[in-house]
Amino acid sequence: AQSVTQLGSHVSVSEGALVLLRCNYSSSVPPYLFWYVQYPNQGLQLLLKYTSAATLVKGINGFEAEFKKSETSFHLTKPSAHMSDAAEYFCAVRGTGANSKLTFGKGITLSVRP
Amino acid sequence: NAGVMQNPRHLVRRRGQEARLRCSPMKGHSHVYWYRQLPEEGLKFMVYLQKENIIDESGMPKERFSAEFPKEGPSILRIQQVVRGDSAAYFCASSPPPGAIETQYFGPGTRLLVL
Repeated sequence: AQSVTQLGSHVSVSEGALVLLRCNYSSSVPPYLFWYVQYPNQGLQLLLKYTSAATLVKGINGFEAEFKKSETSFHLTKPSAHMSDAAEYFCAVRGTGANSKLTFGKGITLSVRP
Repeated sequence: NAGVMQNPRHLVRRRGQEARLRCSPMKGHSHVYWYRQLPEEGLKFMVYLQKENIIDESGMPKERFSAEFPKEGPSILRIQQVVRGDSAAYFCASSPPPGAIETQYFGPGTRLLVL
């Protein structure tokens, strides 16, 4: 079975500060990993995905994530937070074929202070 | 290229009524997933369908819930005899036929409120 753990439910940073959102996964097969962002009352938007092509993945809006197999981690980072980054962020793992459903972490709410 | 469309965006039902949620996938996508977002519980998988087939319904409650994706028309998630605990946001996602790395694209969701 696949699972994702996102530690903490809320992260607060100052505008311009580093953003680090943690995600650890558990998977019996090489995982496909995703980060999605959800703005209030909206659907989920894909930020980036890991598909084994490269361990450092760049996404939209200046976000990136690094896949570390030894640590079973896929943490999301952004060098400088912007007010518009305030949202909820979900890490997810996906299987293949008939098991291609996404299994999500509980999500982390990011607040950005002026 | 239009994205995933869901309607209605908001739905209010009284206990015991039926709720029908619709999802039109992106053009060219033949696979649909439904997820439910309950307060404080995150997003949970419900069902995975392709045209006229249910591939994985391991996340569907055993009673009152059903889903279909007919040959023509949108995918429908149907909840019979709704209860207050069904109040949640229901999201549909679509993808091309599964390969190794296809992405699921999400619709805006239907927010169901059961009074």
